[in-house]
Amino acid sequence: AQTVTQSQPEMSVQEAETVTLSCTYDTSESDYYLFWYKQPPSRQMILVIRQEAYKQQNATENRFSVNFQKAAKSFSLKISDSQLGDAAMYFCAYRTLVNQGAQKLVFGQGTRLTINP
Amino acid sequence: NAGVTQTPKFRILKIGQSMTLQCAQDMNHNYMYWYRQDPGMGLKLIYYSVGAGITDKGEVPNGYNVSRSTTEDFPLRLELAAPSQTSVYFCASIFSGSADTQYFGPGTRLTVL
Repeated sequence: AQTVTQSQPEMSVQEAETVTLSCTYDTSESDYYLFWYKQPPSRQMILVIRQEAYKQQNATENRFSVNFQKAAKSFSLKISDSQLGDAAMYFCAYRTLVNQGAQKLVFGQGTRLTINP
Repeated sequence: NAGVTQTPKFRILKIGQSMTLQCAQDMNHNYMYWYRQDPGMGLKLIYYSVGAGITDKGEVPNGYNVSRSTTEDFPLRLELAAPSQTSVYFCASIFSGSADTQYFGPGTRLTVL
């Protein structure tokens, strides 16, 4: 079974600085997707960025980028120029396919990110 | 499009009571999912559906039932509520295809006392 581990329960960063959140996963599959979700106090799950395992190029979305190391099974999220609105819980998730083409997301435990003004 | 909607937003149940959490989507998505999020944890899959009339168990199905009579709706039924079911429940949907991403509803916070 696939597992996702986020070893940093909490992180903090100064506004405008850069922070990196760590994620490792375990799988025997070769084709899969990885995601970072943001969950602000409103509880809404917001997709931040995703990475296809077959792509060697790291995904980027504006101030958010990932460092995907497939052999090491590592998938870290870098947030540049941190803003107060980035404060939230961040979840790393692994996607696998189950019966009849349905997706199953396996989530890590989350990292609470605090932005200091 | 309203996206994925969930009702109610909050609910308090007494031990042994039953209730149904409602989930609806207006995007004509084939696949729908129910997750639960315990305090300080990530989401875990309860049940999923690949289309009307077809459902299957996820990681933590015990104590829950689902049905999918239409493409739009995917209700989650709790029978004989227990304190261990205190959680936030999320519904999600996706059209199809491996490249698609799941859309999440706003969640229902359930407390069983």
